[in-house]
Amino acid sequence: KQEVTQIPAALSVPEGENLVLNCSFTDSAIYNLQWFRQDPGKGLTSLLLIQSSQREQTSGRLNASLDKSSGRSTLYIAASQPGDSATYLCALMDSNYQLIWGAGTKLIIKP
Amino acid sequence: KAGVTQTPRYLIKTRGQQVTLSCSPISGHRSVSWYQQTPGQGLQFLFEYFSETQRNKGNFPGRFSGRQFSNSRSEMNVSTLELGDSALYLCASSLDSPVDEQYFGPGTRLTVT
Repeated sequence: KQEVTQIPAALSVPEGENLVLNCSFTDSAIYNLQWFRQDPGKGLTSLLLIQSSQREQTSGRLNASLDKSSGRSTLYIAASQPGDSATYLCALMDSNYQLIWGAGTKLIIKP
Repeated sequence: KAGVTQTPRYLIKTRGQQVTLSCSPISGHRSVSWYQQTPGQGLQFLFEYFSETQRNKGNFPGRFSGRQFSNSRSEMNVSTLELGDSALYLCASSLDSPVDEQYFGPGTRLTVT
């Protein structure tokens, strides 16, 4: 059974720092992996989608990598800003065409 | 292009009642998926509809059902509500397949008392 783990559960860093969020999974048979952010009481905003054949995707200050062999993905945020404060979730599309979710990392960027 | 819309945004029901939630996908998107988010279980897949047919289903009891209309709009229904059904229900749409990038609506916050 596919399991997705996100470490750390919470992270607080000063503004301007570069940071890395981690996502690990137990089964490499995936179609893609997606990173989302969720603001309190709100829905989900898609940040980056990495297909299983890709190694990384970039959008602005965000870079996501995927290593299926080790069952890991990372989300790199450069030059963090207070507006980046949110919960970040990773989710992967498994072999049954279902999105399996991590529990999220709650990120706080201190001004 | 308008995003995914969900109605209502908030709902309060009592145990034993039933509820219907609505989701309008992005124009041109034909796949609609539903998810439940709770503090204890996190996000869990409920079901996915395509071309008015349920194409995939998660591990939820039969009290949870859904349907999709010819214009791709979808509804989900929960019958005989339980306290544990209190959650944020999220709908996502994608072009043709859930493998395509999924775009989420703001969710419906259901509280069962």
